[in-house]
Amino acid sequence: QQQVKQSPQSLIVQKGGISIINCAYENTAFDYFPWYQQFPGKGPALLIAIRPDVSEKKEGRFTISFNKSAKQFSLHIMDSQPGDSATYFCAARGHFGKGTSLLVTP
Amino acid sequence: GAVVSQHPSRVICKSGTSVKIECRSLDFQATTMFWYRQFPKQSLMLMATSNEGSKATYEQGVEKDKFLINHASLTLSTLTVTSAHPEDSSFYICSAISHGGSYSYEQYFGPGTRLTVT
Repeated sequence: QQQVKQSPQSLIVQKGGISIINCAYENTAFDYFPWYQQFPGKGPALLIAIRPDVSEKKEGRFTISFNKSAKQFSLHIMDSQPGDSATYFCAARGHFGKGTSLLVTP
Repeated sequence: GAVVSQHPSRVICKSGTSVKIECRSLDFQATTMFWYRQFPKQSLMLMATSNEGSKATYEQGVEKDKFLINHASLTLSTLTVTSAHPEDSSFYICSAISHGGSYSYEQYFGPGTRLTVT
């Protein structure tokens, strides 16, 4: 059973646009929801994370929205830049979603 | 933030030999470490979780006799791929947290080790 389901698999956004990646989880016991950014040949790096006691967290251009009743959380990248082009993973309890390959075009 | 290192970054070995990969937490004590493998353009697959001083907990489908994990100290965990075969070629990544037994804390990831078995 897949613990964490992520969509879309790939995403193309123009520079300056908003990138939105979604994640759904199964286990209501999960209590920490991070998003990771990974560049080719590198390990994942924590981008932003949220705990279920809040519905939204913003850090710079990155925002997590959390919907506890729907068991979903999403990553919003505002003013997307070409340097944001990478693979993004959501995770819970050490298990990762399948990843979203984001390409931001100039 | 906390730093996790891995050594070696790349290794090439012959089929049938064993390879050891080290994972170290450089500036914190890692009570729990995780080992992942990642195939090209795919997600990270959790292989096992290890707590310092105890046996690792392996995920379903991961051969514990083939992937030996030792978490001997609060700063070091090792993954040994025994009798490696070409299908073991992959990117292996470790991560660590500083609070034992809980996924509720930040995982810090190593840079990964590229294993190629010829």
